[in-house]
Amino acid sequence: QSVLTQPPSASGTPGQRVTISCSGSSSNIGSNYVYWYQQLPGTAPKLLIYRNNQRPSGVPDRFSGSKSGTSASLAISGLRSEDEADYYCAAWDDSLSAVVFGGGTKLTVL
Amino acid sequence: QLQLQESGPGLVKPSETLSLTCTVSGGSISSSSYYWGWIRQPPGKGLEWIGSIYYSGSTYYNPSLKSRVTISVDTSKNQFSLKLSSVTAADTAVYYCARHIWVVVAATRGDWFDPWGQGTLVTVSS
Repeated sequence: QSVLTQPPSASGTPGQRVTISCSGSSSNIGSNYVYWYQQLPGTAPKLLIYRNNQRPSGVPDRFSGSKSGTSASLAISGLRSEDEADYYCAAWDDSLSAVVFGGGTKLTVL
Repeated sequence: QLQLQESGPGLVKPSETLSLTCTVSGGSISSSSYYWGWIRQPPGKGLEWIGSIYYSGSTYYNPSLKSRVTISVDTSKNQFSLKLSSVTAADTAVYYCARHIWVVVAATRGDWFDPWGQGTLVTVSS
């Protein structure tokens, strides 16, 4: 059972906009920054969004992050086949004194 | 360009100690701005942070694993290492090393991992 809750799956067709949610509590998302990682099949995770809504250089602006209260969201617009991957949210948890991850969301591009 | 590479045995017997090393290239592990961390991922499951170390040797661990984990650093070799004792089948996972960056801005903390090594699968089995 992960500390941060994500839907196990999401899907969309090419060109669509998809959102993935991440729910936490006041001790993690509610008080700290949220990060998102993309894990393509058979590869290591890659930083996708940092500090709630910032994109590292090289990440397309089709990817965007937001945070409100104790929840966060990752939005992918103009969906492409190469976006098919697992997506994880993460944050520091003040109560646990640990970095915590969501359980991951498998995105399928139909 | 910073790169990290994990190395170590791919098979460990139950009750023994898992040992892995991460070699950092393209940058110094002694940078004052970063920690260096270990994260694992059981087959078909999600990510779990194990712990992180500063070049001075200061560490912090996931409380759920703290009693079994030791992370150390060798600045002369630009490496850091993980030891996980008393392993069981539940410790079977891909183990990743990564640069751990953390900031605090107006009491808001941020922790992220970038870049990551390619990962190494460690199987616990007799």
